[in-house]
Amino acid sequence: EAGVTQFPSHSVIEKGQTVTLRCDPISGHDNLYWYRRVMGKEIKFLLHFVKESKQDESGMPNNRFLAERTGGTYSTLKVQPAELEDSGVYFCASSSGPPQGTDTQYFGPGTRLTVL
Amino acid sequence: GNSVTQMEGPVTLSEEAFLTINCTYTATGYPSLFWYVQYPGEGLQLLLKATKADDKGSNKGFEATYRKETTSFHLEKGSVQVSDSAVYFCALSDYGGSQGNLIFGKGTKLSVKP
Repeated sequence: EAGVTQFPSHSVIEKGQTVTLRCDPISGHDNLYWYRRVMGKEIKFLLHFVKESKQDESGMPNNRFLAERTGGTYSTLKVQPAELEDSGVYFCASSSGPPQGTDTQYFGPGTRLTVL
Repeated sequence: GNSVTQMEGPVTLSEEAFLTINCTYTATGYPSLFWYVQYPGEGLQLLLKATKADDKGSNKGFEATYRKETTSFHLEKGSVQVSDSAVYFCALSDYGGSQGNLIFGKGTKLSVKP
């Protein structure tokens, strides 16, 4: 069974540009999460999809970030326009649910975003 | 709000040494507790978990016991190997009806020397 995959693995862009990150969850997993780790800080929750619906987007930092999950399968996270403080590693995770504290989340390898 | 505090790193040990990485938490409700590990160049992997008080999670020689009285979930291994070099993250998920998003500690980098 394939794990969670993310693309690209690295992205270097200039301030003001747009970047789109993609996550493919484990097949059949209804829950999809996005997290971010800014240099030297904790991994922070961004948002949670259940199938194609946004269940919780309380962690999204501002309206420059837009997440979508087409047909309840893969998800994209767009940053537009990117700012310097957006640099970090963006992780995606999926789980089979229902979303409870006991559910194991499986993580992808992350996308390292550098904004210059 | 909910939070996780884990010991600052980096931690450097010799092979076969005993490992402890401290983790304490603050949470409302009844959280589940997790240790995730990130090996160099790879993503986060679940190492072990415990879902209720006094549960012991174990995997690959690592273990951690959910201590409600001390709000702790310390990670231990009796004899570390060079291959255990990685970053270890303690995390919690509030079982009390939340959406299940994880709250992480800052991570502890472990280096094991031969």
